[in-house]
Amino acid sequence: AQKVTQAQTEISVVEKEDVTLDCVYETRDTTYYLFWYKQPPSGELVFLIRRNSFDEQNEISGRYSWNFQKSTSSFNFTITASQVVDSAVYFCALFRRALTFGSGTRLQVQP
Amino acid sequence: EAEVAQSPRYKITEKSQAVAFWCDPISGHATLYWYRQILGQGPELLVQFQDESVVDDSQLPKDRFSAERLKGVDSTLKIQPAELGDSAMYLCASSQDRENTEAFFGQGTRLTVV
Repeated sequence: AQKVTQAQTEISVVEKEDVTLDCVYETRDTTYYLFWYKQPPSGELVFLIRRNSFDEQNEISGRYSWNFQKSTSSFNFTITASQVVDSAVYFCALFRRALTFGSGTRLQVQP
Repeated sequence: EAEVAQSPRYKITEKSQAVAFWCDPISGHATLYWYRQILGQGPELLVQFQDESVVDDSQLPKDRFSAERLKGVDSTLKIQPAELGDSAMYLCASSQDRENTEAFFGQGTRLTVV
């Protein structure tokens, strides 16, 4: 069975603060993929990143960065210098035949 | 840009009524997924199709839910009869094939059962 845990239900920060969203996963598979999605109030799921289980290199894309640590089964997401437009619900997900999502973290960035 | 189309965007129905949602995946995508997202939770897989065949419907409440993809292209998800607990966002996604991890999501249908 696969499981994704996002322990932070809601985070509130002030604009320009850095914020890290935690994700811990469980799987018995050796080959799998991890994802982060953003869900703004409009409801659509916006793809942010995909990593495979063999690539533990951290990745940076603009203000976004991801830290994948297989040893702790974690795939954390950091937003640097947060902006109001970052306010959304963020989901971590694990893919093996289909996506298994965590329960999401609601991020509120106050101006 | 190609996208997954879903209709309707919003649906309000009375409990015990029948309701149906439609999804048109990206052209050429063999794999189609239906997810249900209850408010405050992450999406959960209801059913997965490979072409016209169901490959996983283990989480589909089959006493009231049905899904079909007759020609392996668009798909319909039906609930009959609807219950109050079915109020949720129903998301459709598609990918090129089962091994392709890049799934594209539609905007969803938000169902309210009253």
